[in-house]
Amino acid sequence: DIVVTQTPLSLSVTRGQPASISCMSSQSLRHSDGKTYLSWYLQRPGQPPHLLIYEASNRFSGVPDRFSGSGSGTDFTLNISRVEAEDVGVYYCLQSIQLPLTFGGGTKVEIK
Amino acid sequence: EVQLVESGGGLVQPGGSLKLSCAASGFTFSRFGMGWVRQAPGEGLEWVSAMSGMDTKTFYADSVKGRFTISRDNSKNTLYLQMNSLRGEDTAVYYCAKDGSGSYSYFYYMDVWGKGTTVTVSS
Repeated sequence: DIVVTQTPLSLSVTRGQPASISCMSSQSLRHSDGKTYLSWYLQRPGQPPHLLIYEASNRFSGVPDRFSGSGSGTDFTLNISRVEAEDVGVYYCLQSIQLPLTFGGGTKVEIK
Repeated sequence: EVQLVESGGGLVQPGGSLKLSCAASGFTFSRFGMGWVRQAPGEGLEWVSAMSGMDTKTFYADSVKGRFTISRDNSKNTLYLQMNSLRGEDTAVYYCAKDGSGSYSYFYYMDVWGKGTTVTVSS
């Protein structure tokens, strides 16, 4: 199974400041079709997860442009340019190049 | 509006069975892969099962293989998860999710999620 490791486990950020979350996979997530199958999700407290980024760097419809995804191969990053109060929650990355699909352990983001 | 609504959760004894349903609306259900993700109390997300769109291939996590069966009824726009031989470690909120890629034969990322249904396995 592909192991997906997220760091840090938690992050405390001042509103308006940037934040960065790392996701590392034990195998390359680049497919022969040229796409990279890494996606990012945010789960706000008491809510289901929702999609932020797919294929490593494509922002999903309606997601604010302060969110961006980057990386390739086995190393990926989710950046939030200016953290807002509504960004609080747990962030997960997911690899889907190989079964079983595997999520990272999550990164909890809170406001200082 | 695209929507997924899960139902069928509840309290069941170890060894028992339960069938979850996920009613979909707002998109052409038959064209898209669908799946289930669960979250045990206080834990992270765990992918459970998926079914591709057009060719209806099925995929399972090792932890549920042989005990859970995913299926769909395209005439009713509904996804199912039949869960047999339930164990305490199956206790979780079960989320239904739609594949956003539109892949014919696989499941790549989850662009729509339901609110979840809670399954508790306990005597």
